[in-house]
Parts: sequence; C-alpha cells; structure tokens
Amino acid sequence: GAVVSQHPSWVICKSGTSVKIECRSLDFQATTMFWYRQFPKQSLMLMATSNEGSKATYEQGVEKDKFLINHASLTLSTLTVTSAHPEDSSFYICSARDLDRTLSNQPQHFGDGTRLSIL
Amino acid sequence: AQKITQTQPGMFVQEKEAVTLDCTYDTSDQSYGLFWYKQPSSGEMIFLIYQGSYDEQNATEGRYSLNFQKARKSANLVISASQLGDSAMYFCAMREGLSSGSRLTFGEGTQLTVNP
Repeated sequence: GAVVSQHPSWVICKSGTSVKIECRSLDFQATTMFWYRQFPKQSLMLMATSNEGSKATYEQGVEKDKFLINHASLTLSTLTVTSAHPEDSSFYICSARDLDRTLSNQPQHFGDGTRLSIL
Repeated sequence: AQKITQTQPGMFVQEKEAVTLDCTYDTSDQSYGLFWYKQPSSGEMIFLIYQGSYDEQNATEGRYSLNFQKARKSANLVISASQLGDSAMYFCAMREGLSSGSRLTFGEGTQLTVNP
C-alpha cells in the first residue's frame, strides 16, 4: 500500500534552533501534501497545504515565516520550524494524496509524525 | 462552527464486546466523504473506513462498520468483538467535495480503552 515516510521521528533541540522535517511519498507521486500539528490529547490541526511547484497555502493564524514549507518535487515536502521556541514543541504529522488515485474514497496517507521538543 | 463533533472524550469497553463511537458533522455540501482514523499512542494515523455521501449502504471493513445516518448527519463507528489492541484514539474526519485532494477536518477524538 501507499507509504509516506516522515523524518525525523523525534527531535530534541535548544531554543533558537531551526528544525527541518521531511515528508516523502515512497511509492506514489503527491502534488499535494498536508502538514498538521497536534498537541497532547487534542485533535489534528491543519497548518498548511503544500503544493508541488508553488507556494504553500497556510491556515489562518499560522505564521508562514515561522513554518517554512517547501514542496520541490512530487515526492518530497519539507517543513522548517525556524528559530524554534518551547511553545513550538508539538507533534507534527504530514499526509499526502496519490496523484494517480483521484477517487473521493481514497484516504490521505499519513507519515508516522515527528515529536518536536524545544528546550 | 464546529464541522465534526465527537462528544465522547473517552470510552471503555470490555474485550470481545462491541462499541460505538459517535460522530456528527455539519456541511452544506451535497458531496462529501467521512473517514475514521485510529491513532495509537505511538502517533501514526491508521485509516479504518470511509463513507461517501452518496453511498447507499453503510461501509464495512472487517470488524469496523459505519452507521451512516445522513438525515441526522451522523457517522458513528462500530467496532465489533473489541480487542486489547483496539485501545487508541479514534478520529472522525470529513472531506468536503469529491476531490481526494481536498482537506480533511478532524473531530476532537475519542480515547477508547479496551479492558481485559
């Protein structure tokens, strides 16, 4: 089945560091990838929609200069948390849709998520 | 306005029994899709079942079935013969429109605990 690989799975770093998270579709092409943020015991909140070859679409309240998204190829999107602070600590998870599977019943395929801890 | 509502923050069920997780939704679209995902403590999102707004029959996938009541705008997940491994967070999600690329909106989730 379709697989989305997300790396790294766990990051601990100092305040002020920039952290890059990769989301790769391993066996399909994805023109669109989605980035979510999830706090403990809460739901997934969509941060932005990543579009291959164009600018990402950010949700209201999400700082685009803080969360840089690059979708340079059909199989890779990256999220960079710039100058991370403790309040950015969270679980970040990406998902992607298969370009060749446009039926409405096709689920988004999720990565395994990245736990980010800023000290 | 909340588009997906899961009113049960936590549910408990005895192993081998059935359990229903509630989900109601709100949309003005005629075409939409409803999904259920399972999220274990490890964090990955596991797709369980899908129901399209035009589907006349309730979706079933193994031990999972979806009780779709369109007029009531509800899409409850039924898990039969619960297993200890079913203990996890369960999210109901909606995709408005027919495109598989449309965004998903998630409910708040229900934490299911299966007791031995």
